[in-house]
Amino acid sequence: EAAVTQSPRSKVAVTGGKVTLSCHQTNNHDYMYWYRQDTGHGLRLIHYSYVADSTEKGDIPDGYKASRPSQENFSLILELASLSQTAVYFCASRDSNNQAPLFGEGTRLSVL
Amino acid sequence: GQQVQQSPASLVLQEGENAELQCNFSSTATRLQWFYQHPGGRLVSLFYNPSGTKHTGRLTSTTVTNERRSSLHISSSQTTDSGTYFCAIGDTNTGKLTFGDGTVLTVKP
Repeated sequence: EAAVTQSPRSKVAVTGGKVTLSCHQTNNHDYMYWYRQDTGHGLRLIHYSYVADSTEKGDIPDGYKASRPSQENFSLILELASLSQTAVYFCASRDSNNQAPLFGEGTRLSVL
Repeated sequence: GQQVQQSPASLVLQEGENAELQCNFSSTATRLQWFYQHPGGRLVSLFYNPSGTKHTGRLTSTTVTNERRSSLHISSSQTTDSGTYFCAIGDTNTGKLTFGDGTVLTVKP
């Protein structure tokens, strides 16, 4: 069964600390995406990737880095976490022949 | 950049009533999609509908591309339909999505 798995599911981080969010897909999809969702709003794209070892900036990349070491794995890295990065983060994967992405269950990040 | 406006922001129904959710977008070169977000947070794709009308179960999506609008009709609503409905437009090449802010639907028994 197609799946996108995010870890951790929730995390509390301190301001200035480093945070790594992980995403793993078993779908053999080319594209992977990281979105953030703030309360009461839609998702916004942070970074995406269409092939291993390559990442692209999305609409709100500042303060975030991404890494795609393999087709299956896509990480989001906050080098210096800030209060404004408190949000729910969603990873998604998509086959290049299909317009509808498959989303993970989200990671709730609180930066204190 | 591309923009997506959804209305209403929230909607409360009695079980059995119908709902009509609206989406207006800024570009005609869309890959219009509708998503449902469970109250617990998980997002699922409902429709990929760049133009025309599509049906699945009690849901109907109609997109009129040259008028830059789409609607989602829910017939005979059920309490399990409660949640947030998003429309999004997608980039043709990369699949990047731009989301609206959603419609929060509450269906009361």
